[in-house]
Amino acid sequence: GQNIDQPTEMTATEGAIVQINCTYQTSGFNGLFWYQQHAGEAPTFLSYNVLDGLEEKGRFSSFLSRSKGYSYLLLKELQMKDSASYLCAVRDVGSGYSTLTFGKGTMLLVSP
Amino acid sequence: EAQVTQNPRYLITVTGKKLTVTCSQNMNHEYMSWYRQDPGLGLRQIYYSMNVEVTDKGDVPEGYKVSRKEKRNFPLILESPSPNQTSLYFCASSPGTAYGYTFGSGTRLTVV
Repeated sequence: GQNIDQPTEMTATEGAIVQINCTYQTSGFNGLFWYQQHAGEAPTFLSYNVLDGLEEKGRFSSFLSRSKGYSYLLLKELQMKDSASYLCAVRDVGSGYSTLTFGKGTMLLVSP
Repeated sequence: EAQVTQNPRYLITVTGKKLTVTCSQNMNHEYMSWYRQDPGLGLRQIYYSMNVEVTDKGDVPEGYKVSRKEKRNFPLILESPSPNQTSLYFCASSPGTAYGYTFGSGTRLTVV
């Protein structure tokens, strides 16, 4: 099984930069995903990392260190619409199948 | 438009009355999955399927059944719903292990 930890809540100011951390323990790591979920809506895909390093996509970047079991999502130039829950998810290929396990999410509140 | 369609969006039912939540995707994805989302617990996988007639249990399969007779459809069946199955349910699909899931809009189920 997997154990995925991320902070429960974070607050930041419009225009600032925020880093959301995620640590995981898994036996058959096969990729890490970040999703954004606004209240009452479906999660939407943000990023995917399977190799170590930084993946940049516009205002969002995601970093992975497989040896440390660690990832972070970096959000730059924060906007009010970035207030949402951010979910870290790990794909595991144990037992020959591939499952995607989610952390409990980090609620980000962006204030003016 | 590429999408995952769940029905119904909202459902209130009584304990013990069998129900089915439908899920259909039009992207020819091989992987499909059902999750439930509860406050403080995050998204938890119920069942997943890697292809037609191939399904397996996720983390919380008790009280649920699924079937994958066609590639596009992956219904979730509650044979005898109980109040602890009151939750927000998401169906999701993916073309493969290197890709994120696309989620449906969710089904909010209340069992009284």
